[in-house]
Amino acid sequence: RKEVEQDPGPFNVPEGATVAFNCTYSNSASQSFFWYRQDCRKEPKLLMSVYSSGNEDGRFTAQLNRASQYISLLIRDSKLSDSATYLCVVNSPPGGYNKLIFGAGTRLAVHP
Amino acid sequence: DAGVTQSPTHLIKTRGQQVTLRCSPKSGHDTVSWYQQALGQGPQFIFQYYEEEERQRGNFPDRFSGHQFPNYSSELNVNALLLGDSALYLCASSLVLAGGNEQFFGPGTRLTVL
Repeated sequence: RKEVEQDPGPFNVPEGATVAFNCTYSNSASQSFFWYRQDCRKEPKLLMSVYSSGNEDGRFTAQLNRASQYISLLIRDSKLSDSATYLCVVNSPPGGYNKLIFGAGTRLAVHP
Repeated sequence: DAGVTQSPTHLIKTRGQQVTLRCSPKSGHDTVSWYQQALGQGPQFIFQYYEEEERQRGNFPDRFSGHQFPNYSSELNVNALLLGDSALYLCASSLVLAGGNEQFFGPGTRLTVL
């Protein structure tokens, strides 16, 4: 079983749609959780951290359920510029010096 | 404020050769992590350097080695290249005192092994 598993893509949605990505992680000792965005042939960039209380940044909302070891990302009012691969990321267990474990990514394509 | 830089941008090698990739961390950062990203996959952790020491390593063979210099820059060396080593190699920097969680990635080096 992979340490971080994500919805297989791609997601093809029209502009203005709401889209949700799901992710599960296997190590219950993981402490920090993130969503990164990666554009084609570019480096990953931090989109947002994910907190147990849930957090929102504009059109983006992230949720964490530690009991289910489940992370989600909701994008509202999709824009063409949201087209990218979204990577679910967790850090390694305590003492892991912040080794990041990435999911394989889910590709989003927003069309006019 | 200079971000993370990597060189070279692209590299083509043949099987059995050796390669050295270079990374300069974001200004003020002291920790460098290296990742390998195969096509269609997420980045996989290779190792991390802090205070010129390798302090954690992922599931990669000894053919992969690294170094960190006093100015915090880092090198990744891969010996006896295999076709399967073809990938995007990413360097990420962070700051221990800031918790180290937020890692900033460089643009990567795209390695092709023929």
